[in-house]
Amino acid sequence: EVQLLESGGGFVRPGKSARLSCAASGFIFSSYAMTWVRQAPGKGLEWVSTVSGGGGNTYYADSVKGRFTISRDNSKNTLFLHMNSLSVEDTARYYCAQNWKIFKSWGQGVLVTVSS
Amino acid sequence: DIQMTQSPSSLSASLGDRVTITCQASQDITNYLNWYQQKPGKPPKLLIYDASNLEAGVPSRFSGSGSGTDFTFTILRLQPEDIATYYCQQYVNLPYTFGQGTRLEIK
Repeated sequence: EVQLLESGGGFVRPGKSARLSCAASGFIFSSYAMTWVRQAPGKGLEWVSTVSGGGGNTYYADSVKGRFTISRDNSKNTLFLHMNSLSVEDTARYYCAQNWKIFKSWGQGVLVTVSS
Repeated sequence: DIQMTQSPSSLSASLGDRVTITCQASQDITNYLNWYQQKPGKPPKLLIYDASNLEAGVPSRFSGSGSGTDFTFTILRLQPEDIATYYCQQYVNLPYTFGQGTRLEIK
């Protein structure tokens, strides 16, 4: 069974940084692209970033490009999202999802609140 | 970016009803469209992929159709556990984009 467990969320001041992690199990992690999707409180879903299985290819939404960095450690079956220069507009629940294009498995998400 | 427009944004229906949600893409996405169900406090759950393929384990009362720019998601015989928000999502091009969601309630 695929399991994805996010961590690292919390309260962050505007302009500061945060790092999210997603621990994966139940599948061959390195064989799958991985994706971050976020959802602002009471709002819809927004694709944030995807990284290829080997980590060499990364893709970002314009809203986070240049501020967020997606990466992965295949030896530890872990996905990361490094978030810099956070703004209140980045307040959301961040989900990691297996694969790209079709998101069959999701974590429970982690809440990031950016506020002064 | 491809815009995905769902209709309606909210819907009230009775148990046993047939429910239909539409999703229109701003450009041709062939059949690169998924449908998700999200219940409060839970992550989205994939129901339909490639416009019309039912994900394993999803009840057969859910179905999807369409191609190009116009898509339809249907629930036959609405059940209490179907109360949720439903999203369409295109993946023909990055950035992958979602519809704004359709909140389904019981009348």
